[in-house]
Amino acid sequence: RKEVEQDPGPFNVPEGATVAFNCTYSNSASQSFFWYRQDCRKEPKLLMSVYSSGNEDGRFTAQLNRASQYISLLIRDSKLSDSATYLCVVNLLTGGGNKLTFGTGTQLKVEL
Amino acid sequence: DVKVTQSSRYLVKRTGEKVFLECVQDMDHENMFWYRQDPGLGLRLIYFSYDVKMKEKGDIPEGYSVSREKKERFSLILESASTNQTSMYLCASRSTGEQYFGPGTRLTVL
Repeated sequence: RKEVEQDPGPFNVPEGATVAFNCTYSNSASQSFFWYRQDCRKEPKLLMSVYSSGNEDGRFTAQLNRASQYISLLIRDSKLSDSATYLCVVNLLTGGGNKLTFGTGTQLKVEL
Repeated sequence: DVKVTQSSRYLVKRTGEKVFLECVQDMDHENMFWYRQDPGLGLRLIYFSYDVKMKEKGDIPEGYSVSREKKERFSLILESASTNQTSMYLCASRSTGEQYFGPGTRLTVL
């Protein structure tokens, strides 16, 4: 089983739609969680951290369910500029320090 | 503004060549990482370093080595490049918070 699993998509949605991505992780000792965004031919960049109580940043809402070991990202009122790949990231504290494990990403295409 | 730079955006090498990929960060971060990214496989950790002269193997270290002689610089070395090492290589650095990536080096081994 992969450490972090995501549906690769693509999710093709019209502008203005609400879209949600889920991600599951296998290690229950995982400590912190993030969503990164990666545009085509660019490096990944942090979109938002995911907190236990859930958190919101504008049109983006992230949630964590530790019992079921999944995190989610909800995007409301999708914009063309939201088209990208969204990477689910899980942090585990190991003997060598903090280790981030990345999912393979979910591709979002927002269309007119 | 944090900056992670990589020595080349595109590199073409021949099988058997020794390849050096350089990464420099300007934020005094302790932790530095090398990943490769391949379609369908995502980002996979090759090596990381949490201090000068320290290094730890990641998930796929075979065929690679690293060097961290100065805090700001982390080098990835392919001792004898092979065609299956054709990939996008991403360097990253991190303190306690966000992990920042460099722009990537697309390496092609012929």
